[in-house]
Amino acid sequence: NAGVMQNPRHLVRRRGQEARLRCSPMKGHSHVYWYRQLPEEGLKFMVYLQKENIIDESGMPKERFSAEFPKEGPSILRIQQVVRGDSAAYFCASSPPRIGQGYEQYFGPGTRLTVT
Amino acid sequence: DAKTTQPNSMESNEEEPVHLPCNHSTISGTDYIHWYRQLPSQGPEYVIHGLTSNVNNRMASLAIAEDRKSSTLILHRATLRDAAVYYCILRDGAGGTSYGKLTFGQGTILTVHP
Repeated sequence: NAGVMQNPRHLVRRRGQEARLRCSPMKGHSHVYWYRQLPEEGLKFMVYLQKENIIDESGMPKERFSAEFPKEGPSILRIQQVVRGDSAAYFCASSPPRIGQGYEQYFGPGTRLTVT
Repeated sequence: DAKTTQPNSMESNEEEPVHLPCNHSTISGTDYIHWYRQLPSQGPEYVIHGLTSNVNNRMASLAIAEDRKSSTLILHRATLRDAAVYYCILRDGAGGTSYGKLTFGQGTILTVHP
């Protein structure tokens, strides 16, 4: 059973360009989460999605960032007009559709974004 | 979100047991206690979780205090591969406002000496 897949693993963008980060959840998982880890800082929640729905985007910056999880295909985290402060590791996690059982999340290897 | 408190760092020798403590004095009745770890340059990895009773799995054991205000993650025989940052996280199992997201603190940096 393949784990959570993220691509690309490393992404270099110049200031002002767009970054698209992809996440394929584990088989059978319909919940996806995105987290960001800035250099020398802790992991911060960004957004929680189910198929075709954003459930919680309380951690997303208000501008330039968006996320989607379409009915078919991977979840996409999109960063428009990147700035140097967006340089970070972006982790995706997925979980099965269980409610009320304190279910675990399974993380991908991350995408390391570098903005030059 | 209910808060957890962990020591900044701990050290252990290889093949010895390690007890990683976590305090969560404001835990609510529906909060699950989760542990994750993050090895260097990798994504976080689920370790174990529990609600009231002690739990065991292939990776570790989780001992939960009777009043649930603290818990301890036990690695029975530490290996060099266990060197990581360990996070103790409370998860609302009742669909409250924190449902879904994991709130990571600073965690405990575990160093394992050969």
